[in-house]
Amino acid sequence: SQQGEEDPQALSIQEGENATMNCSYKTSINNLQWYRQNSGRGLVHLILIRSNEREKHSGRLRVTLDTSKKSSSLLITASRAADTASYFCATADSGYSTLTFGKGTMLLVSP
Amino acid sequence: EAGVTQFPSHSVIEKGQTVTLRCDPISGHDNLYWYRRVMGKEIKFLLHFVKESKQDESGMPNNRFLAERTGGTYSTLKVQPAELEDSGVYFCASSQGRQAPKLFFGSGTQLSVL
Repeated sequence: SQQGEEDPQALSIQEGENATMNCSYKTSINNLQWYRQNSGRGLVHLILIRSNEREKHSGRLRVTLDTSKKSSSLLITASRAADTASYFCATADSGYSTLTFGKGTMLLVSP
Repeated sequence: EAGVTQFPSHSVIEKGQTVTLRCDPISGHDNLYWYRRVMGKEIKFLLHFVKESKQDESGMPNNRFLAERTGGTYSTLKVQPAELEDSGVYFCASSQGRQAPKLFFGSGTQLSVL
């Protein structure tokens, strides 16, 4: 069954603005990961947050995880045109080794 | 270090034909996964190899799909006979370790069944 579900489906912002994407899931997880996909390319891993972590940073990325609400958010600060891509969250059920992806959020950053 | 490579990048076939997709994982990665994305929908899991063994093939749509990973190196995914609904982008990914480590993806094969 589908696990991660991103919101919004599409987001359009100007360069320099912040972009926030949300992910909701249904069952207990081992970890939650965010990936980016540029058009015509494969997915690239951005960040992994474990179930016992609440917040994690990597460069301009900030990920939060609320296991009580079964939700996560990805914040991209000071966005750039090069951040234009689709962003996916992926979850792994506790004790399971396969990631389940959602439909993704399409982010468009205009110069 | 070479990444995950997939071949071909695009394939256009007619309904009823056979297509074989190939994936070369990162050297040393025991885990190999196949995923598929149909336009506008989620990236759906197909199956997971650990070395040459199928760890989980619960996502395979039906018996028209056959995946192999002989010798635990590269993998092939054959669709025979192809149907219209098989169109989509097929992604391969590899990883090392247990407990859902991060995945390294190939660029995908865009399959169009006409």
